[in-house]
Amino acid sequence: GQQVMQIPQYQHVQEGEDFTTYCNSSTTLSNIQWYKQRPGGHPVFLIQLVKSGEVKKQKRLTFQFGEAKKNSSLHITATQTTDVGTYFCAGATGNQFYFGTGTSLTVIP
Amino acid sequence: GAVVSQHPSRVICKSGTSVKIECRSLDFQATTMFWYRQFPKQSLMLMATSNEGSKATYEQGVEKDKFLINHASLTLSTLTVTSAHPEDSSFYICSAGDMDYGYTFGSGTRLTVV
Repeated sequence: GQQVMQIPQYQHVQEGEDFTTYCNSSTTLSNIQWYKQRPGGHPVFLIQLVKSGEVKKQKRLTFQFGEAKKNSSLHITATQTTDVGTYFCAGATGNQFYFGTGTSLTVIP
Repeated sequence: GAVVSQHPSRVICKSGTSVKIECRSLDFQATTMFWYRQFPKQSLMLMATSNEGSKATYEQGVEKDKFLINHASLTLSTLTVTSAHPEDSSFYICSAGDMDYGYTFGSGTRLTVV
C-alpha cells in the first residue's frame, strides 16, 4: 500500500542553523503537501507542490519536489525558536493523501 | 480562509459506550472530508474518506462497523466510535478542502476511554 516515509524522525538544531527534512514515497505522487504541527496543535497547511522538479519558497522555507515525483524536501534557513514543531509531508494519489511519519524539530536558543 | 470546526475537543467516556465526533466546514462546502487518527508523537493515519451522500471509503485495517462515518450534508461529517474500548483512546482529527488549495484541519478530538 501507499507509504510515505520521512527522515529524520527528530532533529535538534541551534538557533540560526539550517534544517532539512526529506520525504520519500514508494509510488509516484500526483502532488505533495507540507504541514506544520505545533505541540498540542493541529496540522497547518504550508504549501503544495505539483510539478516535477518544482521549487517554492516561503521566506526562510524552501520546498522541493523531485523530478520523479517520489520525493520532496523542506529546508529551513537560519532556524528560529518559532520554527519548533513537527513537519509532515503528505503525498497525494488520486483524491487521497497519506501523511509521512513526520520530523520533530527542536530549536535550541 | 477555510475554517473547519470539530467538536468536542475532549471527551472521556466509559468502556462500551459510543462517542460521536462532528466535523463542520464553516465557510465552504466539502463534498469530501477525511478522518485521521494520531497516536502520541506519531504521524496522522488516514482512517477513512467521507463522501457526501454516499458510503465512506475506509482504509485497510479500519473497522467500518466500529468507526461509523456519516456525511449527511455538504458541511457536516460525523465519526462515531461505537462500543469504545481503552485502545480506542487517541486523537481524532478531520480535514476538508480540495487538491488545488490544500486542506484545512479541524482542531481535533482527544478521546479517552476509561
